[in-house]
Amino acid sequence: QVQLQESGPGLVKPSETLSLTCNVSGASISSYSWNWIRQPPGKGLEWIGYIYYSGVSNYNPSLKGRAAMSVDKSKNQFSLNLSSVTAADTAVYYCARVRSTWYGIDCWGQGTLVTVTS
Amino acid sequence: EIVLTQSPDTLSLSPGERATLSCRASQRINGNYLAWFQQKPGQAPSLLIYGASSRATGIPDRFSGSGSGTDFTLTISRLEPEDFAVFYCQQYGTSPFTFGPGTKVDIK
Repeated sequence: QVQLQESGPGLVKPSETLSLTCNVSGASISSYSWNWIRQPPGKGLEWIGYIYYSGVSNYNPSLKGRAAMSVDKSKNQFSLNLSSVTAADTAVYYCARVRSTWYGIDCWGQGTLVTVTS
Repeated sequence: EIVLTQSPDTLSLSPGERATLSCRASQRINGNYLAWFQQKPGQAPSLLIYGASSRATGIPDRFSGSGSGTDFTLTISRLEPEDFAVFYCQQYGTSPFTFGPGTKVDIK
């Protein structure tokens, strides 16, 4: 059974970089596409981007170049860095797997709340 | 960017009733790459429907998806108590992949 688990600081200061890691178990990081999605408290979902093991990545232009993802095969993990954060970046951050181009997102982590505050 | 609009915002129904949720796209969705997710309070979303009309593994057949192009529908034939939640549509055919604002199905 595939399981994804986010980890990282729950508090980040404005203008600093938010860093999260997603640990993947039950599936190889070298397959599939790996995504980050966020949800501000009480609001809807926003796709942040995806990365493949090869390093090919794609990000939501709404983030204006602040997002960067990476993959660590040795640890079967992938990560998100979001720079120059503001209060608007406060959200529950989910990591998720895309099973295939046709199937879409089939597995989500439980999510982790990141609050941007001084 | 493809904008998804969902209606209604809230649907108040009783267990056993039929729920019909709509998702409309601002432009045609490539390959009908349209998914429906259910989200319960405090939980991550879970996949119900992919490819507009295919049920995900383990999803009961009271959930069905239909539509193509720009207009899509999620139907729950007979609501069970565990079905009350927020439902999101998502298009994953054109980057950036986008979600609708959600429809809340609550108990009348």
